[in-house]
Amino acid sequence: QVQLVESGGGVVQPGKSLRVSCAASGFTFSNYAIHWVRQAPGKGLEWVAVIWHDGSTKYYTDSVKGRFIVSRDNSKNTVYLQMNSLRGEDTAVYYCARDPQQPVLYFFDYWGQGTLVTVSS
Amino acid sequence: DIQMTQSPSSLSASVGDRVTITCRASQDISNYLAWFQLKPGRAPKSLIYAASSLQFGVPSKFSGRGSGTDFTLTISNLQPEDFATYYCQQYDSYPPTFGGGTKVDLK
Repeated sequence: QVQLVESGGGVVQPGKSLRVSCAASGFTFSNYAIHWVRQAPGKGLEWVAVIWHDGSTKYYTDSVKGRFIVSRDNSKNTVYLQMNSLRGEDTAVYYCARDPQQPVLYFFDYWGQGTLVTVSS
Repeated sequence: DIQMTQSPSSLSASVGDRVTITCRASQDISNYLAWFQLKPGRAPKSLIYAASSLQFGVPSKFSGRGSGTDFTLTISNLQPEDFATYYCQQYDSYPPTFGGGTKVDLK
């Protein structure tokens, strides 16, 4: 079955960096775009970034542009979110989610369970 | 960005009840509307896409309706596993945006 598993979350100081990962299984990973969506404590969901199935195209929400970098390794069935210059407002559970079609639909058919990133001194 | 407004923000219901959640888009999104279920510590679950199409494996107790700007999610015969928070999301225009969520809890 389709499975997405995030890892790498933790506590990090403001201004520092952290990389979270999303490991996929149960489907042909290289055929699908993957998104990152986050949920700050007590808040709603916010789309963060997407990477095309082949890694050729990436888009980001305005608040993370220039700070976050999404990448993927199709040989490892894994997507990464490198988060730099972290701010308190980046504190959230970060979910990865699969887009069901190419070109991307910006709809998410399967999600991971999330990894918590806390930015605090 | 398209704003998505859900109502109510929370509701209390009993096992066996039928509940309806409303989602309104700030502009016409045709039927590019999805619904998700979130539970703490669990992977979010996709319920409905294209406003009314059930995701594979989702029981028919969940139903979606609407087009344009006004949409509803109805859950029939509420069971303990249905108490959760539900979100709508539009994917008509970039960036994708979500409603504020509706928490369904036990009365």
